[in-house]
Amino acid sequence: NAGVTQTPKFRVLKTGQSMTLLCAQDMNHEYMYWYRQDPGMGLRLIHYSVGEGTTAKGEVPDGYNVSRLKKQNFLLGLESAAPSQTSVYFCASSQRGSPTGELFFGEGSRLTVL
Amino acid sequence: SQQGEEDPQALSIQEGENATMNCSYKTSINNLQWYRQNSGRGLVHLILIRSNEREKHSGRLRVTLDTSKKSSSLLITASRAADTASYFCALKNAGGTSYGKLTFGQGTILTVHP
Repeated sequence: NAGVTQTPKFRVLKTGQSMTLLCAQDMNHEYMYWYRQDPGMGLRLIHYSVGEGTTAKGEVPDGYNVSRLKKQNFLLGLESAAPSQTSVYFCASSQRGSPTGELFFGEGSRLTVL
Repeated sequence: SQQGEEDPQALSIQEGENATMNCSYKTSINNLQWYRQNSGRGLVHLILIRSNEREKHSGRLRVTLDTSKKSSSLLITASRAADTASYFCALKNAGGTSYGKLTFGQGTILTVHP
């Protein structure tokens, strides 16, 4: 029962480097989301997607790009990492029209930018 | 966008006691959900309450919603050491097309001592 899988789980970057976080879900969900979690601030939505080939900005999109070329995958990219992007990143997915409105989360990707 | 305000920020109790966490918000919601996060893990959905509901139960969980006061509470009865985790309220805003997006509170850290 894989659910939502994030890779990598840990990464250390230097300022200015680029990287991509991969999220994969095997539940055939239409909606996917990227959140970041910082101490004392809860989770904040970065970008989301309502279907293959579509993306939209969330609450804190600056400095990030996303792509959803396949329904099961949602990629989060950092083109030029900054120390302010040190955080734990969570991917989530949900089913359109779900009666529970439940989001299914991955285990997180911890990113440190030096 | 609105965010749930949770209190207390931290709660420490003995096994067998009840734990109550509160969430307040500012604008109209479609539903309110509670999630649990064990240390170093992803979030897991606990329970959802819709704006036209006042109380819901699930096992040892009891959720109430007072839309006139724009507040909700999560009660965990007969707590166990395994309930130690962070608990988050998440809001689905009313109106428009939210595509399942949720806005999270900053969380309550619950510690249950054996």
